[in-house]
Amino acid sequence: DSGVTQTPKHLITATGQRVTLRCSPRSGDLSVYWYQQSLDQGLQFLIQYYNGEERAKGNILERFSAQQFPDLHSELNLSSLELGDSALYFCASSVEGNLGTLGNTIYFGEGSWLTVV
Amino acid sequence: SQKIEQNSEALNIQEGKTATLTCNYTNYSPAYLQWYRQDPGRGPVFLLLIRENEKEKRKERLKVTFDTTLKQSLFHITASQPADSATYLCASNSGYSTLTFGKGTMLLVSP
Repeated sequence: DSGVTQTPKHLITATGQRVTLRCSPRSGDLSVYWYQQSLDQGLQFLIQYYNGEERAKGNILERFSAQQFPDLHSELNLSSLELGDSALYFCASSVEGNLGTLGNTIYFGEGSWLTVV
Repeated sequence: SQKIEQNSEALNIQEGKTATLTCNYTNYSPAYLQWYRQDPGRGPVFLLLIRENEKEKRKERLKVTFDTTLKQSLFHITASQPADSATYLCASNSGYSTLTFGKGTMLLVSP
């Protein structure tokens, strides 16, 4: 158990709908990362928050947004869903916000399976 | 941005043998490389980190090397067991604060 909690574990929704994925980081971790994993693309970095502020942005679509709340939990909002958005969405957390040279480990949750039909 | 390449073909080996997985990076030399294990439908789990000034790192049956000349890291599992069957992901720092992952290599260890 990594200590990172994600809900829901599974979600099936129709095209055009909006969903919210929730993540609680490990106790004491200030940084939250969101990744998308599909069979053909592997793990793709979406966005990072550190202590409530956006720190880095990756390949996140404009239809997607995220935020980190004062209690450090984070939500990823996916709207106008398309079939191609079906994937496993991971949240990860770390103590530090800078992985550049320190190489801090990030801890992944078990993911939220999203199926768009 | 950094690009991490791993062999997409599954590696099949017999129990007791040494498994060797390859990770190549194609752009700038990373400050470090990390290796993760991922089981089907589960989140990746951190295994080892090796910094650019380290040639080799070991942890129990695991060994990682970092060759900046070849732009490559090798991940070895000695005395492999069926329980080692999983997908192994290589990752490097990418920019200021994020990790870039390879697509992973599936390892299958048969009894």
